[in-house]
This record gives sequence, C-alpha cells and structure tokens, in this order.
Amino acid sequence: QKEVEQNSGPLSVPEGAIASLNCTYSDRVSQSFFWYRQYSGKSPELIMSIYSNGDKEDGRFTAQLNKASQYVSLLIRDSQPSDSATYLCAVSPRGGGYQKVTFGTGTKLQVIP
Amino acid sequence: DAGVIQSPRHEVTEMGQEVTLRCKPISGHDYLFWYRQTMMRGLELLIYFNNNVPIDDSGMPEDRFSAKMPNASFSTLKIQPSEPRDSAVYFCASSQPGTGVTLHFGNGTRLTVT
Repeated sequence: QKEVEQNSGPLSVPEGAIASLNCTYSDRVSQSFFWYRQYSGKSPELIMSIYSNGDKEDGRFTAQLNKASQYVSLLIRDSQPSDSATYLCAVSPRGGGYQKVTFGTGTKLQVIP
Repeated sequence: DAGVIQSPRHEVTEMGQEVTLRCKPISGHDYLFWYRQTMMRGLELLIYFNNNVPIDDSGMPEDRFSAKMPNASFSTLKIQPSEPRDSAVYFCASSQPGTGVTLHFGNGTRLTVT
C-alpha cells in the first residue's frame, strides 16, 4: 500500500463548479498535511496546509482533515480554468522525521470553460 | 530572494556517463531536499539534509546515487553510472523549520539518459 494515495484523474469540472480532490494516507502517526499545486512543466507550490481535524478555509480553497479515517480533501469553489493543474497531497510525521514530506502521485484537474 | 536555483535545467546523457545535478537553496533555509518525479511513481524523496548533514538517505535508489552538501549554499546529486531508468525530473527544495513545513522547490532538472 502506498503511503499517500490519490486518484490520478483527470477530474473534469465546468468553470464555476466545486472541484473536490481526495487523498488517503496509511501512516497513523502523520501529523501535518499539505496540498501542493503543480502546473504542467513547473515545480510544485504549496497552496494549503492543515494540522487539525476539521476544515481550513483560504479564499476559494478549503482543506478538510479526518485523522480517524486517514482522509484529507481539498475543495476548490468557483473553479477557474487557471486552476487546471495537478494537485499533490503530502503528509509528514511528527517527531524527528517532521521535515520528511511524502507526496501522493497527484490528481490532474481540468476546469472546462 | 532568488528562490531555489537548480542547474542544469535539462541534461541529456548516454547510459554509463556520470551526471551531476546542482542546487543552491534559499539563504537561511536549514533543510535541503532532493526529490525525483516520474509519471509512474510521482515525487519521491531521495535524501534530505539539515544544516549540511544528511539526515535520511533511505530514498536513494542504489549506490549509483550520491549526494553532498559541502556548505549551506550548495548541494550536488550525482549519478554514476547513469541508466535509462534514471530519466526523470529531479527537484531540489529547501525549507525553514517553524510551525509548518513549506517546501520551496527549484525549477527542476529534466534528465534524459539514452
């Protein structure tokens, strides 16, 4: 089982709709959770981080964390064509390996005008 | 700040040749990471350093791979000898310890081994 699993997609949504991206992780000691966005041919960039159960909102983005279910999600409201990218879920453990960030393979999102 | 700087941007080499990838982290960042990205396996952590000291190299695929960080502003990833299966995009990233881990990635080096 992979440490971080994501559906590779592509996930296609119409412009203005809500895009829902999901991620599960296997290591129960995971403490920190991240969503990175990667445009084609570019490097990943951090868009959201979440550390506690529940929701965290930042503009059009909402990250949701459920540690009991080992599940992280990212909602993008009012999706725009510029949101078309691959979204990478990432986790890191607590303790000495805190800086060791493990990534999923990513979900490709296509926002259709 | 100039961000994380990697060189070269593209590298094409023949099987068996030595390849050296270079990285300059963001000034003041204590952590430096080397990742490899392929379609099949995604972003894989190869090795990371803290204050120039290798902390975890468990992701280095085999002895053909080696990484060094001789000072706070420079790191290299070397593959010797290179093989076609090493073809990938290699990213360097740096971060500062704090309340969260934000990885700042360089633009990557696209390596093609023929």
